[in-house]
Amino acid sequence: AQTVTQSQPEMSVQEAETVTLSCTYDTSESDYYLFWYKQPPSRQMILVIRQEAYKQQNATENRFSVNFQKAAKSFSLKISDSQLGDAAMYFCAYRSYPQGAQKLVFGQGTRLTINP
Amino acid sequence: AAGVIQSPRHLIKEKRETATLKCYPIPRHDTVYWYQQGPGQDPQFLISFYEKMQSDKGSIPDRFSAQQFSDYHSELNMSSLELGDSALYFCASSLEKATSDRTQYFGPGTRLLVL
Repeated sequence: AQTVTQSQPEMSVQEAETVTLSCTYDTSESDYYLFWYKQPPSRQMILVIRQEAYKQQNATENRFSVNFQKAAKSFSLKISDSQLGDAAMYFCAYRSYPQGAQKLVFGQGTRLTINP
Repeated sequence: AAGVIQSPRHLIKEKRETATLKCYPIPRHDTVYWYQQGPGQDPQFLISFYEKMQSDKGSIPDRFSAQQFSDYHSELNMSSLELGDSALYFCASSLEKATSDRTQYFGPGTRLLVL
C-alpha cells in the first residue's frame, strides 16, 4: 500500500517570502500522480498543483511550483511571494495511474501561517 | 465552471438516526469518490464509483452504504449514527475516460454533527 508523509506539521513564512513544504511517499508503482491540495479555514479542498510521474519536468502554476524527485520519492511544494491568502492546511496526495476510481492517499498535512 | 455540488451543507442528527448525503459531480465526470475528514485529520477514503459501478471501498462502516445513479449523482446513506461519525464528508469527482488528467475535484463538503 502507498503511504504519504509530510514531516512538517506547521510552517510559517513572512509575507512576500518563499516557503517550501516537504512531502515524501512510498510506492512500488512506476506510474502515478501526485497532488498538492490547499484547505483554507472554510475547509474547502482546493487543487493547487498536479504532477504526473512519467513527466520529468516539474509542474508550475503561477507562484506555485514543485520539486519532483522520483528516485528519492520526494514531492515538495514551493510557494513564491507568499500572500496572506495562502494561509491554509496543505495536503500532499498520491493517486495510482490506471484509469478508474483510484483513491487519493493523503499525507497528514502542513499548516502554513503567513506573517504580515 | 461548474463544480461538485453537495447537499446538505450542514446536518445535525441524533444518535441512532439516519442521514443521507447527496453529491452531484461536475458535468461529464464519470467517477465519484466519498471521503471522511475528522477534526484535525487528513481525508480518509470511504468508497468510489466508476461509471455507476462500485469500484473500491476503504474504511467504510457496514452501517454506511452508497450508490451512484443513472444521472451520475451519488448518495451516501448512513444509518445508526454514532457520535464518532461527526465529521466533514467530501464528495469528489473526476473524468477517467479518454483523458490522462484524472484530477479529483472536491465539493464543499457536508458537515455532519451527531448529538
